[in-house]
Amino acid sequence: ETGVTQTPRHLVMGMTNKKSLKCEQHLGHNAMYWYKQSAKKPLELMFVYSLEERVENNSVPSRFSPECPNSSHLFLHLHTLQPEDSALYLCASSPSGGTYSGANVLTFGAGSRLTVL
Amino acid sequence: AQTVTQSQPEMSVQEAETVTLSCTYDTSENNYYLFWYKQPPSRQMILVIRQEAYKQQNATENRFSVNFQKAAKSFSLKISDSQLGDTAMYFCAFLYNFGNEKLTFGTGTRLTIIP
Repeated sequence: ETGVTQTPRHLVMGMTNKKSLKCEQHLGHNAMYWYKQSAKKPLELMFVYSLEERVENNSVPSRFSPECPNSSHLFLHLHTLQPEDSALYLCASSPSGGTYSGANVLTFGAGSRLTVL
Repeated sequence: AQTVTQSQPEMSVQEAETVTLSCTYDTSENNYYLFWYKQPPSRQMILVIRQEAYKQQNATENRFSVNFQKAAKSFSLKISDSQLGDTAMYFCAFLYNFGNEKLTFGTGTRLTIIP
């Protein structure tokens, strides 16, 4: 087990559905991230939360809505998605809490494979 | 903006051989970190090795080593005595914004180790 757990592993949804991706870490980390991984593209950073506050929103469409209720949990709420949103969504965490601390290593989960029909 | 380029979409090598994956990057920053991550079929991204730009000595981790050429902005990964478990996607990544670890990734190289 990696320390960062993502559920579900696979999700198929229609464009009118509402679903959520969940990420959980028990590493005592203060920062959590959502990345989108599409084929033949670099990983795209979507959101960053530090100490439960959103510190980065990388021009992500509003049909993606993150939620970080505490430092151990991160959600990505999905609604009215488009087929081009089909991708692997990776969650990661790191020790840093927004202050300089050197390059803390990100710990990734195994991702949620999303298919939008 | 920083960019990371991996020019080899796919590579394959016989087991026990040595393979080198290339990575170049573009930045105007002087103080930064570089990483190689491995993503096996299980999909979990795993850190392989990291290099601080201010260190001239190349990083090594067991069978994995890097050739860091700061002036050329090149950061290649060498895998020695390759094993079947090394089969994976390998991503080069760049970090300059410390604190919030906002990595910039390349497009990846799919490495297959042939028995």
